This record gives sequence, structure tokens and C-alpha cells, in this order.
Amino acid sequence: LAKTTQPISMDSYEGQEVNITCSHNNIATNDYITWYQQFPSQGPRFIIQGYKTKVTNEVASLFIPADRKSSTLSLPRVSLSDTAVYYCLVGDNNQGGKLIFGQGTELSVKP
Amino acid sequence: GAGVSQSPSNKVTEKGKDVELRCDPISGHTALYWYRQSLGQGLEFLIYFQGNSAPDKSGLPSDRFSAERTGGSVSTLTIQRTQQEDSAVYLCASSLAGAGSNSPLHFGNGTRLTVT
Repeated sequence: LAKTTQPISMDSYEGQEVNITCSHNNIATNDYITWYQQFPSQGPRFIIQGYKTKVTNEVASLFIPADRKSSTLSLPRVSLSDTAVYYCLVGDNNQGGKLIFGQGTELSVKP
Repeated sequence: GAGVSQSPSNKVTEKGKDVELRCDPISGHTALYWYRQSLGQGLEFLIYFQGNSAPDKSGLPSDRFSAERTGGSVSTLTIQRTQQEDSAVYLCASSLAGAGSNSPLHFGNGTRLTVT
């Protein structure tokens, strides 16, 4: 199982771009990289998923280098409502099996 | 459409009592996960169900914890003889894992268990 390492916390200001990097040195060939967002008193919510290179959707971008040993979640122009915990999850969900979350990154956006 | 539903949303119980937590996954989702989240902490894996296969129970912290999934749908997590250290939010998630896509997890909002 691929173990992930993320910064425990990050601070930002409204309107800035925020980049959160996750290390996953022992990622397996079939593993995908998925990021989740969690607000207090709620379950985590899917943000974005990728396998390699770059993926972009309406809320974020995900950058994955060629060796896939890390990934970076990019949140453009954050707002106060982006204050949350962000989890990087690496695993082969297609085959099933237990998926282990890391400790997550607590992002605090200030006005 | 309907998401993952968990009940009750809050449960307060006395030490030593048994509790049952329920999870209704998204219809058609073959995989179901239980996680535990203590205050201010990350998600701790408990158990995983995939279709009709034997569940992966490797995350259950003690033999007081058990879970079943009836008919490949609803799941119940049971904690016997509850202890104060069992106090946490118990989260359930489901996905289409194994259906030929890398479907992400869909979480419920959890059951907050408080053992007094």
C-alpha cells in the first residue's frame, strides 16, 4: 500500500493560488491519485483524480510528474470557503481493496 | 441522486453498552468502507466490503468491533461493550470499485459516537 506524506497545515490569503504537495514514493503501477476535501462535521468530498501528467476540472488542477512519486493539488484564487482539510489518497480503486488515508493538510484561508 | 446515508447522526451511549451504526450506500455501489475519525485526526481504516467477497477486517481495532453487509447493500457496524476511547465519528463510504472504473469514494456525513 502506497503511503502518503503531506504538510500538516498551510496558511493562505483570499485570492491566492494554493499548492499542496503529496509524496508517495512507493506508488504502484495501477495506483491512481485522488484528492478529497473535508469540512468540519462532514464526510470527505471528492475533488479530483489523476494517473499522470495534468488534470483540470472546475475547482482544481492536479499535477503529476513523470515518475509519479508525488502530486500537487492546485487551488486557484482561494476563498474563505476553501478552508478545510485536504487528503491525498493513492490506491488502485479499480481492483478494490482497502484504501488508507494519510493525515491530510489543514488549509486555513484568511481574509 | 441520493448519496450515502448514515444513521443515527449522533449517538450517546454509556460505557459497556452495545451500539449499532447503519450505512446505506449509493445504489449499485459494490464497494463499502468504514472509517473512524477521532477529534482532529485523520481517517482510520476499519473494514472493507467488495461484492460477495470476504470482507477485509484488518483495520478493526479489537474483537469488540464487527460489521456485516446484508444483500450487498446496507451495512451495520457493531461495537460491543463500548469504551470511552471508542468515541469518534464513524464514516461510511461506497464506490463502484471493481466495475471497470477508478470510481472515487462517496462518503456519508458520519455518526458521531460519544461514550460516557
